[in-house]
Amino acid sequence: AAGVIQSPRHLIKEKRETATLKCYPIPRHDTVYWYQQGPGQDPQFLISFYEKMQSDKGSIPDRFSAQQFSDYHSELNMSSLELGDSALYFCASSPSEAAGELFFGEGSRLTVL
Amino acid sequence: KQEVTQIPAALSVPEGENLVLNCSFTDSAIYNLQWFRQDPGKGLTSLLLIQSSQREQTSGRLNASLDKSSGRSTLYIAASQPGDSATYLCAVAPPGQGGSEKLVFGKGTKLTVNP
Repeated sequence: AAGVIQSPRHLIKEKRETATLKCYPIPRHDTVYWYQQGPGQDPQFLISFYEKMQSDKGSIPDRFSAQQFSDYHSELNMSSLELGDSALYFCASSPSEAAGELFFGEGSRLTVL
Repeated sequence: KQEVTQIPAALSVPEGENLVLNCSFTDSAIYNLQWFRQDPGKGLTSLLLIQSSQREQTSGRLNASLDKSSGRSTLYIAASQPGDSATYLCAVAPPGQGGSEKLVFGKGTKLTVNP
């Protein structure tokens, strides 16, 4: 069965650079979520989209932005990267008509040097 | 503010043992509760989803229970195997707008099953 696809899987950036992470949800899933998991931490909700509109916002820094496109894939843009942004970034998707089960991708590991 | 606590933080058992992982949450107003498995450096694999109206769910050797009124869930793993070694995360979804945004996670229980 198709799963949530995230790219790139690994990314290394310097401080103050910009990074873009991509997420391709499971087909027919219209809701996408982004989570950040720091080293040894639990995942923290960043932002979510439903039908290409932002549906909820969590602890996402102002330096980060995201959007969902017409094909339902989503991109997380991170600017002015800081050392503390080093983390595993997860994307999850769910079908809105289902009972709220989230399916997570393998994550994109960002390392800021 | 919803807080999720998982006890123990780490657990080491011999192969074949039955075990229970505990999860507690402070706000009983939840939409659902989901148990995940995470291997080191890997993504989150959904194991079981329990809706707020349900009391338990079973999948193979896994059984999850939910007592919403007391703010507790348990994940029971029968006949544990070395391949079960991973971190197990509990997450609750608050009610409202579809309910599944803003999953609040516990810090996980790191399970090691020794051959």
